[in-house]
Amino acid sequence: QVQLVESGGGVVQPGRPLRLSCAASGFTFNTFGMHWVRQAPGKGLEWMAVISHDGSDKYYADSVKGRFTISRDNSRNTLYLQTNSLRAEDTAVYYCAKDWTARPEIEHWGQGTLVTVSS
Amino acid sequence: QSALTQPASVSGSPGQSIAISCTGTSSDVGAYNYVSWYQQQPGKAPKLMIYDVSNRPSGVSDRFSGSKSGNTASLTISGLQAEDEADYYCSSYTSSATRVFGTGTKVTVL
Repeated sequence: QVQLVESGGGVVQPGRPLRLSCAASGFTFNTFGMHWVRQAPGKGLEWMAVISHDGSDKYYADSVKGRFTISRDNSRNTLYLQTNSLRAEDTAVYYCAKDWTARPEIEHWGQGTLVTVSS
Repeated sequence: QSALTQPASVSGSPGQSIAISCTGTSSDVGAYNYVSWYQQQPGKAPKLMIYDVSNRPSGVSDRFSGSKSGNTASLTISGLQAEDEADYYCSSYTSSATRVFGTGTKVTVL
């Protein structure tokens, strides 16, 4: 059974960094692309970044390019999102998600971790 | 990377059919058959309902169906039930190898 468990959220001051983690289990982690998607309170889903199964390819939404970095450690079955220069508008639930088999579409989602950017 | 356009809300009575549109461009929806649909209940993570434009994952009711014409994809819910009340989002792969979500549609069962 696929499980994706995000952690690392909380309250952070504007301009400060934060690293989110996503622990994966129930599937062969190193064979799937992984994503980060966020949802601001009361708003829609916003795709942020994807990383290939081996970490060699990474793509970002324009809104976070240069500020956020996606990475993975296949030996630990863990996905990461390093967030820098956080702004109030980055306040959201951050979801980790797994690609569908052999397709560039999201299949499974974690339950999310809330990041609140506030002084 | 503009969001795909969906109607803000759609409603229907139990048993009726409703359709939700998802309009993109020739660089996303129109270019690939990698359009998926997600259902999100309040306070929950999204759930995959349709992938590859029209395929249903195992366990998803056959009351849900998808289609695409040009730059517009659609999700149809037949035999509407109270449990279908939720937010629905489309998503597409893009020519930049990124992904893009729709603006979201709130489905209300009257």
